[in-house]
Amino acid sequence: EAGVAQSPRYKIIEKRQSVAFWCNPISGHATLYWYQQILGQGPKLLIQFQNNGVVDDSQLPKDRFSAERLKGVDSTLKIQPAKLEDSAVYLCASSLVVRGTGELFFGEGSRLTVL
Amino acid sequence: KQEVTQIPAALSVPEGENLVLNCSFTDSAIYNLQWFRQDPGKGLTSLLLIQSSQREQTSGRLNASLDKSSGRSTLYIAASQPGDSATYLCAATNQAGTALIFGKGTTLSVSS
Repeated sequence: EAGVAQSPRYKIIEKRQSVAFWCNPISGHATLYWYQQILGQGPKLLIQFQNNGVVDDSQLPKDRFSAERLKGVDSTLKIQPAKLEDSAVYLCASSLVVRGTGELFFGEGSRLTVL
Repeated sequence: KQEVTQIPAALSVPEGENLVLNCSFTDSAIYNLQWFRQDPGKGLTSLLLIQSSQREQTSGRLNASLDKSSGRSTLYIAASQPGDSATYLCAATNQAGTALIFGKGTTLSVSS
C-alpha cells in the first residue's frame, strides 16, 4: 500500500515570495491534516480536512496561509507572502477514520527555508 | 485546551538497557493517544495507538500504557538497541477528538 506522498521535499525561497506544497494521502483516507514542525518542536496542527470540507483551521494564519482539498483527495498548502518564521517542515498526514482520529500516517514532509 | 508534555527532553543510555519515556496531557477526555518515532530529516512513523478504553498496547519490544485519570502515558522500550536512537513523540487527541496534539518529543540515543 502506498504511503502519504508529499512534494517538494525541500524548498528555499526569499521572504515575501510564495510557495506551494502538495500532498496525496493514502487511498481511501477521508481525513487529511497539515502540520507545521519548527526545529526542536512537536508538530502543530494547521488545518484538518474531512473529505473536501474543513474541520478545523483555527491555527492557520489565514492572512498568508491557504489550503484546499479538491475532490476530497489531493491537497495543496500555500504560503504567500512567506516570512522568516515560516521556516519549518510541513507534514501531511491522513487517517481512515472519520469519527475521532484513528491512526495517523505521515508523509516524509516538505522542508521550507525562508531567507 | 489540550497540552502535551514529554519528559525528559533527551536521554542517553547504553545498549541493552530498559527505559521509560514519559508523557503527560492536561485534558483527560481523550479519544486516543499515539506514540510516534521520528528519525532525523524524516516524517513520523506510528508506533502504538491506545484507545481511551484501553490500558496498554504492545508491539515487539515496545509497550505503551495509558492512565487517563492521572493524564499520563509511558512508553517502555525493552533491551534497547542503537537502532532505537530517534526522537519519540507522544500525541493526544484535542478537545473535539478530531486531531492530535503533540508534545515536543524525547530524543533518545543508544550507544553500543
